[in-house]
Amino acid sequence: AQSVAQPEDQVNVAEGNPLTVKCTYSVSGNPYLFWYVQYPNRGLQFLLKYITGDNLVKGSYGFEAEFNKSQTSFHLKKPSALVSDSALYFCAVTTFFDAGNMLTFGGGTRLMVKP
Amino acid sequence: DTGVSQDPRHKITKRGQNVTFRCDPISEHNRLYWYRQTLGQGPEFLTYFQNEAQLEKSRLLSDRFSAERPKGSFSTLEIQRTEQGDSAMYLCASSPGTGENTGELFFGEGSRLTVL
Repeated sequence: AQSVAQPEDQVNVAEGNPLTVKCTYSVSGNPYLFWYVQYPNRGLQFLLKYITGDNLVKGSYGFEAEFNKSQTSFHLKKPSALVSDSALYFCAVTTFFDAGNMLTFGGGTRLMVKP
Repeated sequence: DTGVSQDPRHKITKRGQNVTFRCDPISEHNRLYWYRQTLGQGPEFLTYFQNEAQLEKSRLLSDRFSAERPKGSFSTLEIQRTEQGDSAMYLCASSPGTGENTGELFFGEGSRLTVL
């Protein structure tokens, strides 16, 4: 069985400071990892993915994430947070990339960026 | 708007009633997914379709849950004899099929079910 853990329910950061949202995963086989963001009253939106290759992946809105196989982690990062980044962030994993994208999601982390 | 649309956005029903949710995917997408999201949790995979074929349904929560995609376009998710534990947000997503699949899912805004 595969699982995703997001150990922080909420992350608070001041605008302009760097942010990190943590994610660890457990799978049998090679992981395909994703980050999605959910704004209030909006559907989940794709941010970025790791499939293969470079461990540092860049995505939308200046976000990036680093795949660390030895630590089974895929933390989301941004060098300088914006108030508009405040939202709910979900990490997800699958091991069957082309078999339906049946993602297993973490419980989510609420990011609060204060002016 | 050419995104994934879901209807209704909010459904309030009494325990024991049947409810049906509709999802219209992005028109060129072959794959359609249903997820459930309860308060404070991440989305939980329920089932998915490749065109009209339902390729995975073992994770539907009980035999009260069923989904169809009869013509490979829109899909419906039906819950029979609703229970209070069915109260949740039901999310639909779509993606391109094999060959065009980037791994990204495109989600609708969800249908919120409240069972009284």
